[in-house]
Amino acid sequence: DSGVTQTPKHLITATGQRVTLRCSPRSGDLSVYWYQQSLDQGLQFLIQYYNGEERAKGNILERFSAQQFPDLHSELNLSSLELGDSALYFCASSVAVRDRGNTIYFGEGSWLTVV
Amino acid sequence: ELKVEQNPLFLSMQEGKNYTIYCNYSTTSDRLYWYRQDPGKSLESLFVLLSNGAVKQEGRLMASLDTKARLSTLHITAAVHDLSATYFCAVDGGTYKYIFGTGTRLKVLA
Repeated sequence: DSGVTQTPKHLITATGQRVTLRCSPRSGDLSVYWYQQSLDQGLQFLIQYYNGEERAKGNILERFSAQQFPDLHSELNLSSLELGDSALYFCASSVAVRDRGNTIYFGEGSWLTVV
Repeated sequence: ELKVEQNPLFLSMQEGKNYTIYCNYSTTSDRLYWYRQDPGKSLESLFVLLSNGAVKQEGRLMASLDTKARLSTLHITAAVHDLSATYFCAVDGGTYKYIFGTGTRLKVLA
């Protein structure tokens, strides 16, 4: 158990709908990362937050948005869902101190199936 | 833009054999990470390599980093079935944007 908690674990929804994925980082971690894993695209970096502020952005679609709240939990919002959005969405967290190696720890992921 | 490539993508090997997985990256970095993922599961941190020449070993796995060549290797010694998994390297390009390689799916045959 990495200490990173993600909910829901599984989600099935229809095209055009909107979902919210939630992540609670490890105790003491200030950084949260979101990744999308699909069979054809591998593990894609979406976005990173540090202490409530967006720090780095990757290949995140405009239909997707995220935020990190004052209590450091984060939410990833996916809207106007398409079949191709079906994937395993990981949240990860880290202390975000480069000199300490800054390993990022992954949650169990949220399986999203769009039908 | 930082790109991270691994090879091979698939590796099927006999138990007891040795093999090496390669991770190449395109821009300067002195932070490289190796992860293991079992099917449908989360990613587990294996090694953190923080400088040129760094070498880490755990059991039958040994990882090394050559920052000048922008290359990391994950060496498997005397493979056993329990090592079957997908292995990813990830590079910190200096912007906290950890970019993962394509992954190497390892299958160890009895």
